[in-house]
Amino acid sequence: KAGVTQTPRYLIKTRGQQVTLSCSPISGHRSVSWYQQTPGQGLQFLFEYFSETQRNKGNFPGRFSGRQFSNSRSEMNVSTLELGDSALYLCASSLSGATYEQYFGPGTRLTVT
Amino acid sequence: AQSVSQHNHHVILSEAASLELGCNYSYGGTVNLFWYVQYPGQHLQLLLKYFSGDPLVKGIKGFEAEFIKSKFSFNLRKPSVQWSDTAEYFCAVTSSGTYKYIFGTGTRLKVLA
Repeated sequence: KAGVTQTPRYLIKTRGQQVTLSCSPISGHRSVSWYQQTPGQGLQFLFEYFSETQRNKGNFPGRFSGRQFSNSRSEMNVSTLELGDSALYLCASSLSGATYEQYFGPGTRLTVT
Repeated sequence: AQSVSQHNHHVILSEAASLELGCNYSYGGTVNLFWYVQYPGQHLQLLLKYFSGDPLVKGIKGFEAEFIKSKFSFNLRKPSVQWSDTAEYFCAVTSSGTYKYIFGTGTRLKVLA
C-alpha cells in the first residue's frame, strides 16, 4: 500500500511569511504526528492528531499549528516564519497512536531566508 | 522532564566490528521503546521495538536491543556491522495514553569498507 506522502518536498520562504505543509497518511491510519528535525537536535515532537482531534503537543510557540481532516489527512501551518524554523518537517502516521509503530514520510525541507 | 539520551553522536567502525549504541531514557510509568534508522536519502524506518515481555528484542538486519529497566536503558547492538549499516540511528520512547514520542538526538554511524 502507498506510504506516507508529504507535499511539498522543498520550500523556500522569507522571514515573516507563513507556510502550510500537507501530509497524507497510510490508508487506514488515523493518527498523524508531526516532527521538526534539525542537525544536532534530532526529532522534536510538534503535535499528534487522531480523528481530527489534537491529543498532544510539544513545546513549540503558537506560531506552529495543525489540523486533521475527516479523511485523516493533516496540515501544519507556521506563521510569521523565523530563520530558526528552517528544518526538515516530518509527518508520521500510525494505526491509532503512540503504542504502534510510526511510518514516516519523506519530509518537507523548509528553508527560511 | 521526559527525555531520551543517546551518548554517541558519531561512531565510525570498520566492517565486521561489533556495534553497541547507547540509549537512556527518563520517562515515568510503563514505556514502549523503539529504534528507528534513517539510511542516506531514505525515510526513517523502524528497526525494532519493545512493548513488553522478553527484554531482548530482535529486529531487522541482524540488530537487537536489550531493555534494562533498572538502568532505564535500551541499547542497540549488532555483532558484525556491514558497510550498508551506515545510517543515522534514533532511539525513541513513548507511553500509552500520551500520544507522544520522545526521540533522542540520533547517532550517525559510518562503517568503513
